[in-house]
Amino acid sequence: QKEVEQNSGPLSVPEGAIASLNCTYSDRGSQSFFWYRQYSGKSPELIMFIYSNGDKEDGRFTAQLNKASQYVSLLIRDSQPSDSATYLCAVLGGSQGNLIFGKGTKLSVKP
Amino acid sequence: KAGVTQTPRYLIKTRGQQVTLSCSPISGHRSVSWYQQTPGQGLQFLFEYFSETQRNKGNFPGRFSGRQFSNSRSEMNVSTLELGDSALYLCASSSGLAYNEQFFGPGTRLTVL
Repeated sequence: QKEVEQNSGPLSVPEGAIASLNCTYSDRGSQSFFWYRQYSGKSPELIMFIYSNGDKEDGRFTAQLNKASQYVSLLIRDSQPSDSATYLCAVLGGSQGNLIFGKGTKLSVKP
Repeated sequence: KAGVTQTPRYLIKTRGQQVTLSCSPISGHRSVSWYQQTPGQGLQFLFEYFSETQRNKGNFPGRFSGRQFSNSRSEMNVSTLELGDSALYLCASSSGLAYNEQFFGPGTRLTVL
């Protein structure tokens, strides 16, 4: 069964620090990887996607992908209290349209 | 550009009843995927519709079904509701092509009593 694993947290970091969120996946054929942010009581919001090995930067966010190790991560620089949310890692399965989600990591940024 | 809309936002039903949820995707998007989110299981894929055809299906019982109309709007139906069907039902809109970034609607919170 195809799986996506994340540490549930909570991950607590001080304001201004770098938050590092990690995700591993089981399907070697996976091609597309997504990070969603979900605030309590809200729906997931797409913040980053990555398809190629290496790093992809967008503002304070950097996604890192290592297909050989089946590992994808999200770094949040200069963390703010408003970044406090659950971060969901999702992997596009063998068929288009079938996103497989991890259970999410809860991030808390302390002022 | 308007986002994904879902109706109704909240629903309370009793066991044995059936329910229909609606999703309107982003204009121009042809794919709608449905997900169930619960605290214990997280986000789980139900099915995806693309151009009025079911393209993918998750591991849910046949009580869960869906359809898509020519304007890409989609409906999801759950028959013979069970207590365990209480969840947040989310639909996600995408172009359905290539890397398929998906954008979620606000969800429908279903409570089964």
